[in-house]
Amino acid sequence: DSGVTQTPKHLITATGQRVTLRCSPRSGDLSVYWYQQSLDQGLQFLIQYYNGEERAKGNILERFSAQQFPDLHSELNLSSLELGDSALYFCASSAEGYNSPLHFGNGTRLTVT
Amino acid sequence: GQQVMQIPQYQHVQEGEDFTTYCNSSTTLSNIQWYKQRPGGHPVFLIQLVKSGEVKKQKRLTFQFGEAKKNSSLHITATQTTDVGTYFCAVTGNQFYFGTGTSLTVIP
Repeated sequence: DSGVTQTPKHLITATGQRVTLRCSPRSGDLSVYWYQQSLDQGLQFLIQYYNGEERAKGNILERFSAQQFPDLHSELNLSSLELGDSALYFCASSAEGYNSPLHFGNGTRLTVT
Repeated sequence: GQQVMQIPQYQHVQEGEDFTTYCNSSTTLSNIQWYKQRPGGHPVFLIQLVKSGEVKKQKRLTFQFGEAKKNSSLHITATQTTDVGTYFCAVTGNQFYFGTGTSLTVIP
């Protein structure tokens, strides 16, 4: 158990809809990262937050947004969903700094129909 | 952004054979990390290398960081079926980049 909690585990929704994925980091971790992993694909970095502030942005679409709340949990919002958004979305947390190892949650499997 | 190439993309080995995956960067790295993702699972941190030429071992796994800090390798001796999964290298910079991964299949 990594200590990182992601909900829900599975999400099935229709094109054009909006969903929210939730992540609770390990106790004491200040950084939260979001990654997208499509079938047989690698881990695409989306965005990172550190102690409530956006720290780095990767290949995140404009239809996607995220935030980290004062209690350090984070939410990833995906809107105007397309079939191609179907993927496994991972949240990871780390203590602090750029070199701390990442601890991943179990992921949210999003299926857009 | 940071470019990290990982080879091979796939590797099938007989149980008991050795396995190596390589991670190459076009720029000098401050450090490199390795992760393993079992089928259906999430990536799990294995190790971090920081120093030029560093070699670290974890049982049958040997991790190396190149002298120029531009490449790294993970070698598994005498693979077992429990080694099945995808192995990723990861580098930090402005972002936390993962390599493309090497998917290892071990044939019993």
